Amino acid sequence: QKEVEQDPGPLSVPEGAIVSLNCTYSNSAFQYFMWYRQYSRKGPELLMYTYSSGNKEDGRFTAQVDKSSKYISLFIRDSQPSDSATYLCAMSLQGGSEKLVFGKGTKLTVNP
Amino acid sequence: GAGVSQSPSNKVTEKGKDVELRCDPISGHTALYWYRQSLGQGLEFLIYFQGNSAPDKSGLPSDRFSAERTGGSVSTLTIQRTQQEDSAVYLCASSFLSGQFGYTFGSGTRLTVV
Repeated sequence: QKEVEQDPGPLSVPEGAIVSLNCTYSNSAFQYFMWYRQYSRKGPELLMYTYSSGNKEDGRFTAQVDKSSKYISLFIRDSQPSDSATYLCAMSLQGGSEKLVFGKGTKLTVNP
Repeated sequence: GAGVSQSPSNKVTEKGKDVELRCDPISGHTALYWYRQSLGQGLEFLIYFQGNSAPDKSGLPSDRFSAERTGGSVSTLTIQRTQQEDSAVYLCASSFLSGQFGYTFGSGTRLTVV
């Protein structure tokens, strides 16, 4: 079993839809959870991070962590064509300046 | 610089040749990371430099891979005797050590071994 599992998709939704992206993990020692967005031929860019369990909201994006279930989610409200990208979950044992363990990424297309 | 700069952006090399990939991190960032992104495999950690500490090389896949960081700034990843399975995008990232969260990635070097 890989440490971090993420459905690669692809996921295709109409503009304005609510998108749900998910990852599961096996190592209960992970403390910091991140979501990165990667456009084609670009490096990943940090979207959101959370520490331990709970929710965090930033504009149209909400990140959720459920440590009891070892499950994290990213919700995108009112999705836009510009949200079309690959979304990668990542997690670390410490504060983000240590090595990260990434999921394989989910490719999202938002159709106008 | 404003961001993490990597060069070259693309590299095609013959099997068996050595390649050098360069990373210029954000000024003032003390931590520097190399990751590899293969098709369908996600990002794989390779090596991590933090200040003057000994690097964490635990992710290097074989002794053909090495990296150095000179003067706490620019880093070079070297792959000797390249193999076709080395074909991937090599991503560099940098960050502050503490009080600042998250990496800033460069756009990567796309390496193709033919």
